[in-house]
Amino acid sequence: NAGVTQTPKFQVLKTGQSMTLQCAQDMNHNSMYWYRQDPGMGLRLIYYSASEGTTDKGEVPNGYNVSRLNKREFSLRLESAAPSQTSVYFCASSPYPGTPHNEQFFGPGTRLTVL
Amino acid sequence: AQSVTQLDSQVPVFEEAPVELRCNYSSSVSVYLFWYVQYPNQGLQLLLKYLSGSTLVESINGFEAEFNKSQTSFHLRKPSVHISDTAEYFCAVSKNTGGFKTIFGAGTRLFVKA
Repeated sequence: NAGVTQTPKFQVLKTGQSMTLQCAQDMNHNSMYWYRQDPGMGLRLIYYSASEGTTDKGEVPNGYNVSRLNKREFSLRLESAAPSQTSVYFCASSPYPGTPHNEQFFGPGTRLTVL
Repeated sequence: AQSVTQLDSQVPVFEEAPVELRCNYSSSVSVYLFWYVQYPNQGLQLLLKYLSGSTLVESINGFEAEFNKSQTSFHLRKPSVHISDTAEYFCAVSKNTGGFKTIFGAGTRLFVKA
């Protein structure tokens, strides 16, 4: 079991460029999440997917889009990167959200710098 | 809506000393409470969780946290820390009536000195 995997690990973009962050989980979890982590602000939810075929906005969705490609994969797209999107991005999954078993499993993160 | 406040952004402590990382939450409904740990350059991993029942929960590596409903707190403690405990610790809360969102605190960086 690889758990939650993310690619790439590091990325540098110029303002206005686009890119897609990839996430996959092999634990057969129903729900998947994208967070960004900034110093002193903890984790902020960008988008989540409660189950295959559904996606919803989180706390900071502006400038991002997501695709739940299948049960395993959940990608995050930056259409036109801005310096304010410089952050560390984490993907997570959970088996049964809304139940006692809703702990989240995190990937190793993608460190993104936008110049 | 729920919110989480971690009262200390950084906690330096000497090896083998006790430590307490403080967490307070607010919620109008009953909640599940979590502590996650993030080691340098890694993702978060679950340390322990409170769901119901006994208010004292323990992790496998010697941490414990106590749920205090009247004070809306879920402080994390360890009686004797090791260098390897150096990490960032996040308190988190989610509703126990359903829903998909977990709210994370800003994190407390624990730095254990030799």
